[in-house]
This record gives sequence, structure tokens and C-alpha cells, in this order.
Amino acid sequence: NAGVTQTPKFQVLKTGQSMTLQCAQDMNHNSMYWYRQDPGMGLRLIYYSASEGTTDKGEVPNGYNVSRLNKREFSLRLESAAPSQTSVYFCASSGTGVTNQPQHFGDGTRLSIL
Amino acid sequence: AQKITQTQPGMFVQEKEAVTLDCTYDTSDPSYGLFWYKQPSSGEMIFLIYQGSYDQQNATEGRYSLNFQKARKSANLVISASQLGDSAMYFCAMKGTGNQFYFGTGTSLTVIP
Repeated sequence: NAGVTQTPKFQVLKTGQSMTLQCAQDMNHNSMYWYRQDPGMGLRLIYYSASEGTTDKGEVPNGYNVSRLNKREFSLRLESAAPSQTSVYFCASSGTGVTNQPQHFGDGTRLSIL
Repeated sequence: AQKITQTQPGMFVQEKEAVTLDCTYDTSDPSYGLFWYKQPSSGEMIFLIYQGSYDQQNATEGRYSLNFQKARKSANLVISASQLGDSAMYFCAMKGTGNQFYFGTGTSLTVIP
């Protein structure tokens, strides 16, 4: 089972460049999430999508946009990358509205912005 | 407001001994779930164990057990018979009736041979 697949795994950008992080899940989950992880700060929610066609801001949405392309895919876009966005980005998915289903995570994208 | 607190930034345990990682939570939701994840140095997030707020018994999964004390709002992870491969970051998380998961800042566990 593929689970949650993120691409790319690594990326180096220059300040001001744009890029899109891709995420796809094959578990028929309604909810999908984007987090960033910085040293000592745990996971911080950027955006999430409770179902196809809906997106909501999380704790740290500034500088990011998202698209829920269909039920399987949820992309994260950096329009003008800044060094402060250097981080590890995780995509996750879960069932909607039930409290007993864990999130399943992708392997992460390590993004460096110079 | 939903909040998860992990007060132990780092823990050490001798191989083959048990260790408890602390987690307290705050929520006003009547129903919620509590989760523990392991993040080894390779970076992936691995789901370990789940406890529901209405579960009468503490959850167990192999060497992992969850010491759930609802009145104290704590959900501590107990790892028995620690192994070198248990060295990792451990995150406590909660999901209430909404769609968001709330994570603690994590505890770094080092198993000493």
C-alpha cells in the first residue's frame, strides 16, 4: 500500500522562487492536511481540507496556498519562497468527523530556501 | 481551546527497562481521541497507539500502552522493555469533534545500551 505519497522528497529554492508540493493518498480519506516541522516546535498546521472542495487555514497559513484537486490530491504552493519557509513539510490524511482514526503521514519534503 | 502539552524535551532509558512519556491535554469536546506517534531519525511519522475518551480500558499495542487518566487529562505513553530502536521523537496528539489534530512539541527518547 502506498498510503500517502509526497513529492518531491528534497528541494532547494532561491528566495522569491515558487514551487508546488504534491500530495496524494490512496486510502479514500476525506480529510487532508499540510504541516511544517521546525526544530523544537513540533508540527504546525498550515492548511487542511475536510473534504473535496473545501480548505481551511491552520496555525501558520501566511505565504502558502493550497488546492484540493480531487479526493486523492492536496497540493501546497509557495508563491514567493522566503528563507523562513525552510522546513520539513508533511502531508497527512484521515477520516473525517471520527475521533478514532489516526492521521497517516507522507515521508515529508525537506525544503531549503537560500 | 484544544492543547497538548509534553513537558519532557528529552528522556533517557536503559535498554530493557520501561519508560513513561508524559502527555497532558486540554479540551472541552465531549468526545475525543488521543494518539501517539513515533518519529525516528529517518523522519517518517509512525502511528503507535490510540485511546478514545470513552474507552473504559487503557489501550495496549505490543510493548506500548497508554496510561489514560481522564480526570487528570493525561495520556502517558508507556514503553516496556525498551530497545535501541525505540530511540526517536515521540509526539502526543489529540482530535476532538472538529477536523484538526493537535500535537505536542514532542519528547526525544534515547535508549542507552
